[in-house]
Amino acid sequence: QQQVKQSPQSLIVQKGGISIINCAYENTAFDYFPWYQQFPGKGPALLIAIRPDVSEKKEGRFTISFNKSAKQFSLHIMDSQPGDSATYFCAASKQGAQKLVFGQGTRLTINP
Amino acid sequence: DTEVTQTPKHLVMGMTNKKSLKCEQHMGHRAMYWYKQKAKKPPELMFVYSYEKLSINESVPSRFSPECPNSSLLNLHLHALQPEDSALYLCASSQGSFMNTEAFFGQGTRLTVV
Repeated sequence: QQQVKQSPQSLIVQKGGISIINCAYENTAFDYFPWYQQFPGKGPALLIAIRPDVSEKKEGRFTISFNKSAKQFSLHIMDSQPGDSATYFCAASKQGAQKLVFGQGTRLTINP
Repeated sequence: DTEVTQTPKHLVMGMTNKKSLKCEQHMGHRAMYWYKQKAKKPPELMFVYSYEKLSINESVPSRFSPECPNSSLLNLHLHALQPEDSALYLCASSQGSFMNTEAFFGQGTRLTVV
């Protein structure tokens, strides 16, 4: 019940296209859902995060869509660029927890 | 400033060596974390310090010893490591004591044990 399942494992998108990464969770106590972007040899960088009281959050080209009833959330990258090529991790946490539960990661490649 | 600074960036050590990893943040965050990340895997939590006290040890072997000298600094002392301990070691901090607030990671220390 503590798992976060992330798909796909890898994704190739053409420049200018939309990249979509999906995550699903079981624990309804989760109340914070961040996405991290990680480049090779670097630490994860917080990209965008959402709480269950909203269904969508947008920051620039990055949008999180959240479906509470389905227990799913997704990251959409609009107008994908080669510089977006990285590994993306979804995660979840809950009130009182000192631990982020990570998805397994998606390796995104944007072809020029 | 959302920076968590880790030193060194790279470290190669023998199995009999003693070394330390350092982490610093000046965001006023009261919780600091050590994570270990193997290639193509998500980060795995090792230790959590909350208000300078160790609050979580995820059953980490004693050859890893954390220390929190003050609210801005976090160290990880390494001794008698094994080659399988080679990994990217990440420090993170968060505003609140819990991980359901914004958490920021450092750039990591790439550790190689030979």
